[in-house]
Amino acid sequence: DAMVIQNPRYQVTQFGKPVTLSCSQTLNHNVMYWYQQKSSQAPKLLFHYYDKDFNNEADTPDNFQSRRPNTSFCFLDIRSPGLGDAAMYLCATSRSGSGRVSQFFGPGTRLTVL
Amino acid sequence: AQRVTQPEKLLSVFKGAPVELKCNYSYSGSPELFWYVQYSRQRLQLLLRHISRESIKGFTADLNKGETSFHLKKPFAQEEDSAMYYCALFGNAGGTSYGKLTFGQGTILTVHP
Repeated sequence: DAMVIQNPRYQVTQFGKPVTLSCSQTLNHNVMYWYQQKSSQAPKLLFHYYDKDFNNEADTPDNFQSRRPNTSFCFLDIRSPGLGDAAMYLCATSRSGSGRVSQFFGPGTRLTVL
Repeated sequence: AQRVTQPEKLLSVFKGAPVELKCNYSYSGSPELFWYVQYSRQRLQLLLRHISRESIKGFTADLNKGETSFHLKKPFAQEEDSAMYYCALFGNAGGTSYGKLTFGQGTILTVHP
């Protein structure tokens, strides 16, 4: 009954080699989020989509981009991964952008940069 | 700015003992507060939120605006409560038109038999 699906679960890339992580949802939620979680740290919001409206966090590096071709799918593109980009990447969804609704998280993709 | 602080990285208790996971926040507006939990090898999931005023799996949390705290409590801990717990605040910081969830660093709770 997976509702937020992330593929792959583990991704290995080389320094500077572009990589794409994917997220899909069966909840038909309006909002999709991407978080970065480094070891022993809190999840940190990178950006989110409210429907087709993209909202980037001020401190998200330009190296990180996102696409949402339809309601169900959202992609995280890292154009030139550095060693510091190794982390767990979490996708989440919510029905609206209100704080009164909870977010549903995927299992995460663990990115290793060699 | 909005900030969440969980002062304890690790917390160990014995089964049947009371447990309290501390959470303090900083936010200029009216906050929406949550506790999320991550059990071993599972995804992050919502445990409870302050607006619901409910008890989930025996856990409760009360928002104390005076002390800017949202501590999570359970009177009798069980081994299956062992997990990582994150306190989170949803707020509209920085003058943006949208809100976002800010997480604390998390507390690893271990309940010993």
